Amino acid sequence: KAGVTQTPRYLIKTRGQQVTLSCSPISGHRSVSWYQQTPGQGLQFLFEYFSETQRNKGNFPGRFSGRQFSNSRSEMNVSTLELGDSALYLCASSLQASSYNEQFFGPGTRLTVL
Amino acid sequence: AQKVTQAQTEISVVEKEDVTLDCVYETRDTTYYLFWYKQPPSGELVFLIRRNSFDEQNEISGRYSWNFQKSTSSFNFTITASQVVDSAVYFCALSEGSGAGSYQLTFGKGTKLSVIP
Repeated sequence: KAGVTQTPRYLIKTRGQQVTLSCSPISGHRSVSWYQQTPGQGLQFLFEYFSETQRNKGNFPGRFSGRQFSNSRSEMNVSTLELGDSALYLCASSLQASSYNEQFFGPGTRLTVL
Repeated sequence: AQKVTQAQTEISVVEKEDVTLDCVYETRDTTYYLFWYKQPPSGELVFLIRRNSFDEQNEISGRYSWNFQKSTSSFNFTITASQVVDSAVYFCALSEGSGAGSYQLTFGKGTKLSVIP
């Protein structure tokens, strides 16, 4: 069974640009979550989607947005990039809409903002 | 609000030594779930274990064991006879059973474990 896949794996952008990251969950998984990992702040929750609906959102500015498609694939978008957005962005999927379920993580997209 | 504290930033041990990684959590929920994840240098988080708040039974899986104590809000992780392959960053995480803290993992800052041959 294929794991969570994320594309692209690496990305370099400049300030002010926007970026879209993609995540394909494990087949059959309907919940997709996004996390940002930086050396200073650690792992922080961005948002979670289930059945194309955002159920929970972390404490991030409106420049960070996401969506989920009917096939459970998800994208996140960051507009007007800032230097501080440089991070590893991790996507995770879980089987059901429950806090109980373990989340399976993808390899991440490393975003560098110059 | 929920919070997870991993006080040990970095730990170095010599191969075959035992090592315990500490995790202390805070939550107002009576139903919650605790997790440990491993992040090797490749970057991908690997799930290790899940515990719910009603199950304080300790668990052992090979060289890994977990000690969950609600009285001290701790969920510690011990690696017995450590190996070089155990070198990674280990994260403790919390998910609440309801409310705004549900459907998300709150992570500690992680403990970087280096096992020296």
